Amino acid sequence: LAKTTQPISMDSYEGQEVNITCSHNNIATNDYITWYQQFPSQGPRFIIQGYKTKVTNEVASLFIPADRKSSTLSLPRVSLSDTAVYYCLVGDHLLNTGFQKLVFGTGTRLLVSP
Amino acid sequence: EAGVAQSPRYKIIEKRQSVAFWCNPISGHATLYWYQQILGQGPKLLIQFQNNGVVDDSQLPKDRFSAERLKGVDSTLKIQPAKLEDSAVYLCASSLETFGGEKLFFGSGTQLSVL
Repeated sequence: LAKTTQPISMDSYEGQEVNITCSHNNIATNDYITWYQQFPSQGPRFIIQGYKTKVTNEVASLFIPADRKSSTLSLPRVSLSDTAVYYCLVGDHLLNTGFQKLVFGTGTRLLVSP
Repeated sequence: EAGVAQSPRYKIIEKRQSVAFWCNPISGHATLYWYQQILGQGPKLLIQFQNNGVVDDSQLPKDRFSAERLKGVDSTLKIQPAKLEDSAVYLCASSLETFGGEKLFFGSGTQLSVL
């Protein structure tokens, strides 16, 4: 089972800032939070990853509060090409091993309109 | 840098037939994943390899699905016999390791239609 909860869909307009929040109440101490973007007919693509506070790259920002039970992906000034499904993932550590697996939820479908 | 390569891109078969998918991960990536993505759903992890050993295959329907990663590089996923509900996109991904914080790189997937 996915360890995260996200809104099923969001609508926005070009030029607006979009914030997608993900809940991960049972996140483990050593789990990272990772966001992926998926366009139709393509595999998911890494967007951003963080552990705490704020991370920013050329594509997005990721805000993580101190309790780490949620995170917010911020997309500044979206364009039509940002229409995609966005997935929030945290690791799922396999018992008695040092390994983790990444379980995808249903994601958030973002539709950007003109 | 070359990405994750998958083939074929599309496959159409009839139920009860067999099918195989191939994946070549990014060079040097120790971990390889096979995901199944049914239309409208998120990717579901089928099997995860660390080098040529299986880390997790708890979601793999072992009565009909099999996967191998010989020599810790390429991998094949096989379905035999296929069922209608196996219609999906099969995604292969790879990462450097699998201990935490890894970035997954995905291929474009193989779209399977079972008629």
